[in-house]
Amino acid sequence: AQTIHQWPVAEIKAVGSPLSLGCTIKGKSSPNLYWYWQATGGTLQQLFYSITVGQVESVVQLNLSASRPKDDQFILSTEKLLLSHSGFYLCAWSLGGNSDYTFGSGTRLLVI
Amino acid sequence: LAKTTQPPSMEAYEGQEVNVSCSHTNIATSEYIYWYRQVPHQGPQFIIQGYKDYVVNEVASLFISADRKLSTLSLPWVSLRDAAVYYCIVDYNQGKLIFGQGTKLSIKP
Repeated sequence: AQTIHQWPVAEIKAVGSPLSLGCTIKGKSSPNLYWYWQATGGTLQQLFYSITVGQVESVVQLNLSASRPKDDQFILSTEKLLLSHSGFYLCAWSLGGNSDYTFGSGTRLLVI
Repeated sequence: LAKTTQPPSMEAYEGQEVNVSCSHTNIATSEYIYWYRQVPHQGPQFIIQGYKDYVVNEVASLFISADRKLSTLSLPWVSLRDAAVYYCIVDYNQGKLIFGQGTKLSIKP
């Protein structure tokens, strides 16, 4: 069975500090991968998507970057956090086409 | 920009059937309609998807109007666990799954 794992579960970080969030998908070969961000009380906003290893498309950058170093791994990062980066970060995968998306359990980030 | 319009909130009693409507007046020929729901502190969960007519699965049914500009998610016999934000989304092949504000469904005992 396929699983999606996000890490860490939660983080409290200082403004200006670096950030790295990870997402791993097991049990699926060559999935499409996505990063979403959700402000508290807000809706989900797609940040990045990747169809293949090494290729990442930016939808909304928010001073963040994403990379896909392996087929089953998606990384979201920034060198300098802003207060506005606080929120809920979700990773998702799909098989493309009209298949549905499966979301991870998310990482809750608080920037202070 | 979300391509769908939903009521911001709804209320229902346990045991009732709930119908959540969604307007997607500019839906393209290639786009499917998806419904997800999200409870606090969790990622969205897929409920059902459809292209036209009527789709049913073990948890919900989806009715899509003949012109595909309106869809209705039907939840039979809701319980307290069905309290969530319900999102209606239209998506192009490998495109950007854009979430709107959703419909917050509250369930009364």
